[in-house]
Amino acid sequence: NAGVTQTPKFRILKIGQSMTLQCTQDMNHNYMYWYRQDPGMGLKLIYYSVGAGITDKGEVPNGYNVSRSTTEDFPLRLELAAPSQTSVYFCASSSPSLGLKPQHFGDGTRLSIL
Amino acid sequence: AQTVTQSQPEMSVQEAETVTLSCTYDTSESDYYLFWYKQPPSRQMILVIRQEAYKQQNATENRFSVNFQKAAKSFSLKISDSQLGDAAMYFCACANNAGNMLTFGGGTRLMVKP
Repeated sequence: NAGVTQTPKFRILKIGQSMTLQCTQDMNHNYMYWYRQDPGMGLKLIYYSVGAGITDKGEVPNGYNVSRSTTEDFPLRLELAAPSQTSVYFCASSSPSLGLKPQHFGDGTRLSIL
Repeated sequence: AQTVTQSQPEMSVQEAETVTLSCTYDTSESDYYLFWYKQPPSRQMILVIRQEAYKQQNATENRFSVNFQKAAKSFSLKISDSQLGDAAMYFCACANNAGNMLTFGGGTRLMVKP
């Protein structure tokens, strides 16, 4: 059981480049999330999805886009990379049927924009 | 809207002793969930302990326990018999009843001295 898998683990981008951070989960969880964690800070929610075809903005959505075509996958797209997007990105998933609703996290993607 | 505040950026404890990490929160939800996550240098987010707000009994998980004071909106984490492997960032988090919004505090870095 792999849980939540994120790829790549590390990436360096030039300003203005685009890329997609991949996230997949094999737990059949309805809910999926993208967070960013800046150095020395807590996690901030970028986007979330409560099911295939449904996405919604979190606290810091600007500069990002998401899609949810399947239950398993929730990619995060950066269209025009900016230095302010240098961060560690975490994908997470959870199931509303779980009473205590813990979120399961991937190992993170460290992204640097130069 | 939810806010989570961790007022201690850093804490240190002697190995085998007990330490308490503080967390206060604010939420407009009538029912919600509280969590402590551990983030070691590997960056993984590991669920330590969780509490349902409607339960008065404090949660415990082996050496980890919480002091949940609902009226004061306080949710502190006590680590007993501290071990070197407990050294990490600890994040307090609050989830709404639907489980689709998880708000993190800024974190407390715990150092364990041998």
